[in-house]
Amino acid sequence: EVQLVESGGGLVQPGGSLRLSCAASGFTFSSYWMSWVRQAPGKGLEWVANIKQDGSQKYYVDSVRGRFTISRDNAKNSLYLQMNSLRADDTAVYYCARRSGSWSHSWFDPWGQGTLVTVSS
Amino acid sequence: SYVLTQPPSVSVAPGQTARITCGGNNIGSRSVHWYQQKPGQVPVLVVYDDTDRPSGIPERFSGSNSGNTATLTISRVEAGDEADYYCQVWDTSVDHPVFGGGTKLTVL
Repeated sequence: EVQLVESGGGLVQPGGSLRLSCAASGFTFSSYWMSWVRQAPGKGLEWVANIKQDGSQKYYVDSVRGRFTISRDNAKNSLYLQMNSLRADDTAVYYCARRSGSWSHSWFDPWGQGTLVTVSS
Repeated sequence: SYVLTQPPSVSVAPGQTARITCGGNNIGSRSVHWYQQKPGQVPVLVVYDDTDRPSGIPERFSGSNSGNTATLTISRVEAGDEADYYCQVWDTSVDHPVFGGGTKLTVL
């Protein structure tokens, strides 16, 4: 069974840091681009970051560039999101998702169960 | 950047057909994907590449895409279809996805 399991969420003060992890199983992790997508409470879906199969290319939404870092360890079938200088508007459920399809025909399937990050004093 | 526009809400009676639109400039030239997110649950892919359904998704779910509008059609709507629905395309100019704002489907 293809599965993604996130961990690492929690309550953090503004300006603090947090590292999210996503454990993948049931597919060849090293063959896929991977992404983080977040959803603020009561809001829609917002893409956060992408990483290429070998980690050589990374892309970020403007609001997190310079503060967040996406990375992966193919030997451990794991995806990470290092989040620094956290702000209240970073509060959201963070989903790990596999990019499927091909380049311009890309979608997300599957999604992890999500991990909640709350930034508050 | 590319923008996708969805109506905030759509309401339909059980057994009727729901149509959820996703507007974008010349969206017909792009590949559109749809997700269903029930309250408190994870998004689930229900249509990809405009018209294809993943295994396990009922045939009641179908998609179309032409001109400036893509449409998710849900036939014979059931109470269990009540959810938020999101469209998504991939913006190749910046190599990242774009999501619509989401549509809340209410089954009356």
